[in-house]
Amino acid sequence: NAGVTQTPKFRILKIGQSMTLQCTQDMNHNYMYWYRQDPGMGLKLIYYSVGAGITDKGEVPNGYNVSRSTTEDFPLRLELAAPSQTSVYFCASSPKGDRVEVGNTIYFGEGSWLTVV
Amino acid sequence: DAKTTQPTSMDCAEGRAANLPCNHSTISGNEYVYWYRQIHSQGPQYIIHGLKNNETNEMASLIITEDRKSSTLILPHATLRDTAVYYCIVLRRNTDKLIFGTGTRLQVFP
Repeated sequence: NAGVTQTPKFRILKIGQSMTLQCTQDMNHNYMYWYRQDPGMGLKLIYYSVGAGITDKGEVPNGYNVSRSTTEDFPLRLELAAPSQTSVYFCASSPKGDRVEVGNTIYFGEGSWLTVV
Repeated sequence: DAKTTQPTSMDCAEGRAANLPCNHSTISGNEYVYWYRQIHSQGPQYIIHGLKNNETNEMASLIITEDRKSSTLILPHATLRDTAVYYCIVLRRNTDKLIFGTGTRLQVFP
């Protein structure tokens, strides 16, 4: 299993450009998440999905859009990039969300470094 | 979900026990305490979780006070590779969202 795979790993965008961060997982997990992490700060939840066709906002959804057409993929779209969106983005997945069950946990990707100039 | 309070940073000598405290004074009866850590800028890694009993696994031990208003994560023999940011999180059972705070930056020194 590859786990959670994010692409690209690094990207520089100009203000106003748009782009999509790709995330795919091969563990057949129902739950998927997008977080952003600003320098020296904790992770902030952007959007999450509890299954194909279902998405919901997290703490900081403004400026982003997501879709979940398949169980495997959960892309994050930035429509009009702004300098405030310069951050590290983490995609994650979980078999049953954050529910407390033995052996259940969240698996994170390696991160995507995005700079908006 | 209950809020948590952690010290911003801590130091620990290699080979000694690292004790990381977390305050969650507003925790309710159906909320669990989770610990994650983040090494460098990698994705966070699950460590341990518990409800009211103390828990131990191959990575760490979790001590929860009797009133459940605070807990301590114990790394029994810290190594340099344990240098990371440690997050204490309180979650309701069956919740869908994992919300991170600012965590404790643990520095293990030789």
